[in-house]
Amino acid sequence: AQRVTQPEKLLSVFKGAPVELKCNYSYSGSPELFWYVQYSRQRLQLLLRHISRESIKGFTADLNKGETSFHLKKPFAQEEDSAMYYCALSGMDSSYKLIFGSGTRLLVRP
Amino acid sequence: DAGVTQSPTHLIKTRGQQVTLRCSPISGHKSVSWYQQVLGQGPQFIFQYYEKEERGRGNFPDRFSARQFPNYSSELNVNALLLGDSALYLCASSLVVRVGYEQYFGPGTRLTVT
Repeated sequence: AQRVTQPEKLLSVFKGAPVELKCNYSYSGSPELFWYVQYSRQRLQLLLRHISRESIKGFTADLNKGETSFHLKKPFAQEEDSAMYYCALSGMDSSYKLIFGSGTRLLVRP
Repeated sequence: DAGVTQSPTHLIKTRGQQVTLRCSPISGHKSVSWYQQVLGQGPQFIFQYYEKEERGRGNFPDRFSARQFPNYSSELNVNALLLGDSALYLCASSLVVRVGYEQYFGPGTRLTVT
């Protein structure tokens, strides 16, 4: 079964603290993994994808195929990072549709 | 470019009615996907169209249908509405359909079924 699991509904940290948003996936094959973010009153937007191996706004994510995980990390959280974060995978069928997790709300307190 | 646009913004319908939601992709994008987002959940894939052909369908009943027009805009139709159809319906467009491609999301249409 194709599934993305984000175990935490809410993650609350203080400004300057490290952040790790967990994502585990289940997929028979080699999917592409993404992190999407939705800031307050804004639309859903791509934050980063594993195929690019890039760091966006200080966030990084490493694909661990052995543990089927794609955790999102940032060493020092900022208040503007407060948002809803969704992990998603794209399979290899003809549509390359996105399968989303249920999301984690990150709250960065001053 | 205004990005992906969707209309209407909000909609209230009664059980049993039919609804049509509209989406205009980013200029030049030939693919449109539809997602349903129920409160507290992540978006769930409904349909994808590319070059006016259906490329994928999610696990939704036949009451859900969609189409894409020659200008690449799209409509999502839902017949015989149920209370459980209340959700945010998101449209996403992309330039191409290939592994790792980026989808650009619209603001969504909030459908409430009473």
